[in-house]
Amino acid sequence: DIHMTQSPSSLSASVGDRVTITCRASQSINKYLNWYQKKPGKAPKFLIYGASSLRSGVPLRFSGSGSGTDFTLTISSLQPEDFATYYCQQSYSSSFTFGPGTKVDIK
Amino acid sequence: EVQLVESGGGLVQPGGSLRLSCSTSGFTFSNFEMNWVRQAPGKGPEWVSNISGSGSSVDYADSVKGRFTISRDNAKNSLYLQMNTLRAEDTAVYYCARSGEYYGSGSFHKAFDTWGQGTMVTVSS
Repeated sequence: DIHMTQSPSSLSASVGDRVTITCRASQSINKYLNWYQKKPGKAPKFLIYGASSLRSGVPLRFSGSGSGTDFTLTISSLQPEDFATYYCQQSYSSSFTFGPGTKVDIK
Repeated sequence: EVQLVESGGGLVQPGGSLRLSCSTSGFTFSNFEMNWVRQAPGKGPEWVSNISGSGSSVDYADSVKGRFTISRDNAKNSLYLQMNTLRAEDTAVYYCARSGEYYGSGSFHKAFDTWGQGTMVTVSS
């Protein structure tokens, strides 16, 4: 199985900050990498596919990059509604493994 | 509006069984592959199982193979997960999620584009 890791596991930031989250795959997954946002008590929200393509309706302050084994999710200017946990997920293999998450909270 | 609503979770003893349901609306259910994804407390999500739009093709994570059975009723726009021989490590919030195919970076990418709110399953004596 492909193993996914994320760093950091949590971070504290202020509104307006630029935030970068890293995701790493245990083997090359080309660009088969998705990102999701999860808030407590809410359904997960799909944000990015193909490592860098924004789902329709997702704010442009979100962006993704990377290929192979190393990927990043960047929020260019953190907004109050962005405080949440973010998960990467590989769609290269049918096990669809997720990372352990990065919690973004208020500094 | 696309909606997925899970039900059927609860407290069950180890070795017991439970059947989860996911009621859907707002899209042509039979056109979409559907998934069950679970998230144990403090852990990342774990894909559990999926089923094709027609129901003819299913797949399972190794951790549940032989114990869980996914099914669907396209006439009722509903997805199910029969869980048998439950273990403590099956304790999690269970979500149903719709698969979507998206074109980007030169190829098609599968993603779980819509999720329900989840139903809690606790396996404990």
